[in-house]
Amino acid sequence: AQKVTQAQTEISVVEKEDVTLDCVYETRDTTYYLFWYKQPPSGELVFLIRRNSFDEQNEISGRYSWNFQKSTSSFNFTITASQVVDSAVYFCALSFLTQGGSEKLVFGKGTKLTVNP
Amino acid sequence: SAVISQKPSRDICQRGTSLTIQCQVDSQVTMMFWYRQQPGQSLTLIATANQGSEATYESGFVIDKFPISRPNLTFSTLTVSNMSPEDSSIYLCSVEGVGRSQETQYFGPGTRLLVL
Repeated sequence: AQKVTQAQTEISVVEKEDVTLDCVYETRDTTYYLFWYKQPPSGELVFLIRRNSFDEQNEISGRYSWNFQKSTSSFNFTITASQVVDSAVYFCALSFLTQGGSEKLVFGKGTKLTVNP
Repeated sequence: SAVISQKPSRDICQRGTSLTIQCQVDSQVTMMFWYRQQPGQSLTLIATANQGSEATYESGFVIDKFPISRPNLTFSTLTVSNMSPEDSSIYLCSVEGVGRSQETQYFGPGTRLLVL
């Protein structure tokens, strides 16, 4: 079965601290995609990154970085020098093809990050 | 990525009534998805809507409760029928990107529904 686990329900940090959000996934597929989305208090879901199962290169985008390790089925997200505007709920998600050939996105329960000034 | 809008952005409804949520995309897309996010919870897929065919519903969701229309490649509606307080949620539509973004789903701003 396809499953995404975000063990950290809530994290609170002080501005400028680094913070890592954990994501562990389960799948029997060899081809899949992993995603991170950000949901600020306003409610919209903002796409941050997509990583396919064949690309284990880590990625850095400004203060954001992602560490994908197939050996541990993890796709962790680090925010460096956190800012108050980073406060949001962050969702990790797994995309796969169903037996019927349609794509499906499965989300973790989310990690609520609060960055205090 | 596509630009997605939803109407209404929020609503407060009475028990037993129905609400239709609209999702408009600025480009033609094959598949549109509808999700529900109950308070403090993650997103759950309600159904997948392809233009020209019946929507495909996930386990636990039925067409009588959540009828979906998909009249063209840029528009879809989701109706929440005979509402109860348990239907209070954020409802989001999403679409797949195009080209190199095809495997990525992009989400609308959501509709916050409160049922009294």
